[in-house]
Amino acid sequence: NAGVMQNPRHLVRRRGQEARLRCSPMKGHSHVYWYRQLPEEGLKFMVYLQKENIIDESGMPKERFSAEFPKEGPSILRIQQVVRGDSAAYFCASSPAGVGYNEQFFGPGTRLTVL
Amino acid sequence: KQEVTQIPAALSVPEGENLVLNCSFTDSAIYNLQWFRQDPGKGLTSLLLIQSSQREQTSGRLNASLDKSSGRSTLYIAASQPGDSATYLCAVRRGGGSEKLVFGKGTKLTVNP
Repeated sequence: NAGVMQNPRHLVRRRGQEARLRCSPMKGHSHVYWYRQLPEEGLKFMVYLQKENIIDESGMPKERFSAEFPKEGPSILRIQQVVRGDSAAYFCASSPAGVGYNEQFFGPGTRLTVL
Repeated sequence: KQEVTQIPAALSVPEGENLVLNCSFTDSAIYNLQWFRQDPGKGLTSLLLIQSSQREQTSGRLNASLDKSSGRSTLYIAASQPGDSATYLCAVRRGGGSEKLVFGKGTKLTVNP
């Protein structure tokens, strides 16, 4: 059973370009979470999605960032017009649906570098 | 607002030593607490999850305790090995239906052969 998959593992963008980060949850998992780890900082929650729905986006910057989790295919975190401050490791986690099951399983992360 | 603090920020020990990592949180209304391991440039590996109703969990040489009322958790590692060298992260999930985890900044552990 493959774990959470993220691609690309490393992404380099110039200021002003767009970054698209993909996350495929574990098989059978329908909940996806995105976290960001800035250099020398702890992981910070960004957004929580279920299939076709954004449940909690309280940690998402108001501008330039968006996330989706379509009925088919991976979850996408999109950053428009990237700036140097967006350079960070972006982690995706997934969990199954169902009351009481609450462990989150993390992917290897995408390391974004903005030049 | 929930805040999670981990002390110490870094720890260096000789192989074979038993050690304790500390985690404290400001809001005791948590649903659960997870300990993770993060290797350099890698993702997070879940080590132990403690539900709010539990006092401790054990897995191999690892034992995690939870004192919700005082806002503290400890991760005990017995007979440390060089392969235990990594950053250990503590994260709490708030109650009230929130799914997000709030992380500490971690303790960087180095076990010297």
